Amino acid sequence: EPEVTQTPSHQVTQMGQEVILRCVPISNHLYFYWYRQILGQKVEFLVSFYNNEISEKSEIFDDQFSVERPDGSNFTLKIRSTKLEDSAMYFCAITIAGTANEKLFFGSGTQLSVL
Amino acid sequence: QKEVEQNSGPLSVPEGAIASLNCTYSDRVSQSFFWYRQYSGKSPELIMSIYSNGDKEDGRFTAQLNKASQYVSLLIRDSQPSDSATYLCAVNGPGGYNKLIFGAGTRLAVHP
Repeated sequence: EPEVTQTPSHQVTQMGQEVILRCVPISNHLYFYWYRQILGQKVEFLVSFYNNEISEKSEIFDDQFSVERPDGSNFTLKIRSTKLEDSAMYFCAITIAGTANEKLFFGSGTQLSVL
Repeated sequence: QKEVEQNSGPLSVPEGAIASLNCTYSDRVSQSFFWYRQYSGKSPELIMSIYSNGDKEDGRFTAQLNKASQYVSLLIRDSQPSDSATYLCAVNGPGGYNKLIFGAGTRLAVHP
């Protein structure tokens, strides 16, 4: 199973502030994803990213959210103006090049707390 | 709204027993089905994938799929205390690759 590193592991921020969550995958991954899990709730799809552009996004992924791969390695999720309800665990996920698609491997997660 | 339903549990089984976890899904066109294990405060860890009707075995784990009944299950043989976790059923959603729809999970407790 591949390792997907996410930083930071914990992020505390004030409501209205911008946060950037980072994911460092192995270079041969094809698809990148962000999922989130509010405490005690389901894991929810946010966005998928392929070939340096968004391929699909959910209704959760509104204008406050953006993703990019600025330097060809790190994959980031930005929340421009955080709200209390953005508090959740955010997971980066990837698929492995050369394997059957749809096998998602998750990173260790970033716990975001908005105060 | 596409749904994946699981009994939240907890499912309590003695060590060495078979744990049976069940999941139903609403979207008939779903083609890919997954079981993830999630320890408290950790990320989901892929255990099994299944794409065809029938059984698929991997070590102590067996996934079973019945597309006609829109039902997928996971059996864990010789359950160990280390298997105590929340088990998430996931189904590919409509549209693109890897947009998984997760169930809320079943909490499994294996007691010595």
